[in-house]
Amino acid sequence: DAMVIQNPRYQVTQFGKPVTLSCSQTLNHNVMYWYQQKSSQAPKLLFHYYDKDFNNEADTPDNFQSRRPNTSFCFLDIRSPGLGDAAMYLCATSRVLAGPETQYFGPGTRLLVL
Amino acid sequence: QQPVQSPQAVILREGEDAVINCSSSKALYSVHWYRQKHGEAPVFLMILLKGGEQKGHDKISASFNEKKQQSSLYLTASQLSYSGTYFCGTEGSGNTPLVFGKGTRLSVIA
Repeated sequence: DAMVIQNPRYQVTQFGKPVTLSCSQTLNHNVMYWYQQKSSQAPKLLFHYYDKDFNNEADTPDNFQSRRPNTSFCFLDIRSPGLGDAAMYLCATSRVLAGPETQYFGPGTRLLVL
Repeated sequence: QQPVQSPQAVILREGEDAVINCSSSKALYSVHWYRQKHGEAPVFLMILLKGGEQKGHDKISASFNEKKQQSSLYLTASQLSYSGTYFCGTEGSGNTPLVFGKGTRLSVIA
């Protein structure tokens, strides 16, 4: 089945230790998104790629970076995680950015910062 | 701009109905509805486009009032499996990502 896969499902890191979360998709979608979701809050868009074009949200901290080496993979790098970065990180894809196209979400990676 | 959802939370008994609203201060092109269970990813429910359409499947339906810039999600004869947080995501114009509301937590009890 075509799907969005995130690894790992749970990640524990130490304060200030860089961490990378990965997302892959078999849907061949052009757009990939990274969201941060804290407990009882809405998913907050960090950035998205339309093909290779990277779009950063204005309020995304510089501590967060992303890479998309090819259509199928996208990575979220947190250079120096702080306690406030503990959250669920959701990857999503869509065929196009606008219009009646749904986003497909991966299962998420829950990040714990010690 | 983030859409406003109401109510923030609702508790239902099995078989009861509920309405969740999503409104925006800006003109909307489309509204997307998702349900998220605790610890899981959001699951797509439906998309509504401007034009005032209404959609539904099974006992969950939604409407989109373009003039009021508001969408409503209707859950009828609720089941325990309906429990979760419902998010609306709105799209204001072409080529802009969805913006999600803060969610409505729905709890269905036996």
